Amino acid sequence: GNSVTQMEGPVTLSEEAFLTINCTYTATGYPSLFWYVQYPGEGLQLLLKATKADDKGSNKGFEATYRKETTSFHLEKGSVQVSDSAVYFCALSDLSGGSYIPTFGRGTSLIVHP
Amino acid sequence: SAVISQKPSRDICQRGTSLTIQCQVDSQVTMMFWYRQQPGQSLTLIATANQGSEATYESGFVIDKFPISRPNLTFSTLTVSNMSPEDSSIYLCSVGRDEKLFFGSGTQLSVL
Repeated sequence: GNSVTQMEGPVTLSEEAFLTINCTYTATGYPSLFWYVQYPGEGLQLLLKATKADDKGSNKGFEATYRKETTSFHLEKGSVQVSDSAVYFCALSDLSGGSYIPTFGRGTSLIVHP
Repeated sequence: SAVISQKPSRDICQRGTSLTIQCQVDSQVTMMFWYRQQPGQSLTLIATANQGSEATYESGFVIDKFPISRPNLTFSTLTVSNMSPEDSSIYLCSVGRDEKLFFGSGTQLSVL
């Protein structure tokens, strides 16, 4: 079956530090990959997505590249801000399985200090 | 995109009671999803709610415990029945569009 593994948090950084949150996946087909973000007290929002190998998704300074050879989709940002403090979820959806309902990772909490 | 209004945003309930969570979408959608998010855990899909048919429940979730209504294409409710402290969690409704999921802000439920 499909699964998503994320690095455990919390990840604690100072403002303007470089961020990497690791995500690897297992899928039987050719999935689309997503990062969702959940700010305190809010529901999840789609942050970025990539639908095929070597695609790079980007949004709000965040980037992630779909690496089929390493089955990874690591989230990166060059300079984090306090407002980036949130929980980040990696997810995949595999249409070849007949459903686009995503499989989510456990989430990684990011705390950015001023 | 889709704008989803979910309420209540939080509630504290007594053991043995039931709580109904409402989810309203700003446009018509075929499928709505209900998730549970426990502290430190991933999102777990409870069920998929289709308009005009019974909800489809995932393994570990049953209709008697989590009855769902879907009276039209913009609205759904999830009831958490006969609650116990183990039901304390965040419950999220969601809709899918263009292979993306859009979420309500969640209902934080605490059962005493």
